Amino acid sequence: ETGVTQSPTHLIKTRGQQVTLRCSSQSGHNTVSWYQQALGQGPQFIFQYYREEENGRGNFPPRFSGLQFPNYSSELNVNALELDDSALYLCASSRPREEAEAFFGQGTRLTVV
Amino acid sequence: GESVGLHLPTLSVQEGDNSIINCAYSNSASDYFIWYKQESGKGPQFIIDIRSNMDKRQGQRVTVLLNKTVKHLSLQIAATQPGDSAVYFCAETYGNNRLAFGKGNQVVVIP
Repeated sequence: ETGVTQSPTHLIKTRGQQVTLRCSSQSGHNTVSWYQQALGQGPQFIFQYYREEENGRGNFPPRFSGLQFPNYSSELNVNALELDDSALYLCASSRPREEAEAFFGQGTRLTVV
Repeated sequence: GESVGLHLPTLSVQEGDNSIINCAYSNSASDYFIWYKQESGKGPQFIIDIRSNMDKRQGQRVTVLLNKTVKHLSLQIAATQPGDSAVYFCAETYGNNRLAFGKGNQVVVIP
């Protein structure tokens, strides 16, 4: 177990709806990154949060947004869901100045119908 | 759980044999490389890492080799066990705090 927990584990949404996914980082980790993993693919970087501010963003549209809270937990919000948003969404937390040593949660499986 | 390994290159290995998984990375500026293991229904699990100023690093039953000339990374697993069955991803970073993952390789251990 990595100590990174995500909720919910699975959910189904309808195209056009909005979704919020949650992540609690491992104790002592103040950096949280979000990744999207389509079936059969490697994870793709969405964005990273450090000290409650966005600290880098991948090639995802603005309808993907996030938050980080003072306790370093984080949310990923996706508006206007599309069928192609169906994927496993992974949260990874890391210690200060060791950003690449990321510990992943088990992911949230989102299905858009 | 559902598989993360659909349509991925697959390595079938007999239990007890050694496994070698290869990865080509894209950015010559990458300075840190990591191998992750992902089992069905789980998030990626850190296995071993290597910095760009090294060409070999050993862990428990695993060895990572880095060839910067041809931008190639490999993971060697000694005495492969059934619990090693998973999808393996290499990932690279280049100072921008994000991991760029490769396509993944499925390892199937035959008892």
